Amino acid sequence: EVQLVESGGGLVQPGGSLRLSCAASGFIFSRYAMSWVRQAPGKGLEWVSDISGSGGTTNYADSVRGRFTISRDKSKDTLSLQMNGLRVEDTATYYCAKKRTQGSVAGIFDYWGQGALVTVSS
Amino acid sequence: DVLMTQSPSSLSSSVGDRVTITCQASQDISNYLNWYQQKPGKAPNLLIYDASNLETGVPSRFSGSGSGTDFTFTISSLQPEDIATYYCQQYDNLPFTFGPGTKVDI
Repeated sequence: EVQLVESGGGLVQPGGSLRLSCAASGFIFSRYAMSWVRQAPGKGLEWVSDISGSGGTTNYADSVRGRFTISRDKSKDTLSLQMNGLRVEDTATYYCAKKRTQGSVAGIFDYWGQGALVTVSS
Repeated sequence: DVLMTQSPSSLSSSVGDRVTITCQASQDISNYLNWYQQKPGKAPNLLIYDASNLETGVPSRFSGSGSGTDFTFTISSLQPEDIATYYCQQYDNLPFTFGPGTKVDI
């Protein structure tokens, strides 16, 4: 059974940093691209970033480029999102999501974690 | 960025009704269109991918169609457990973008 479990959310002041992690199990982690998608309270979904199975290719939304860094650790089957320079508008639930097709970067998300709430406030 | 619009933004129907949601892309996205269901407090759940393909394990009352810029999502017979918000999402171009959602109520 595929499982994605996020951790690392919390309250941080504007300008601060936070690191989210997503522990993956139930599939061969290195064969699948992964993404982060966020949802501000009461709002819709926004794609944030993704990373290829090898970790060699990354992409970011303009809203986070230069502040957020996505990475993956194949030894621990873990996806991470390092968030620096956090802004109030980054407040959201952050979901890690698995791409559906092995070896593909096509943006079809077939499994999602339960989400990690990040609140940026002074 | 590809702008996705959905209509209606919300709807209320009766159990057993046929429900239709439309999604429009601001440019041609071929069939690179997915539909997700999100229940309150839960993560989204993939229902339809590539515009018309039913994800494994998803009930057959859900269906999708369309290509280019205009897409349709249908629930053939609304069930109480279908109460949720439904989102379309394109993946023809980065950034992947979602529609604003359609809230379905009974």
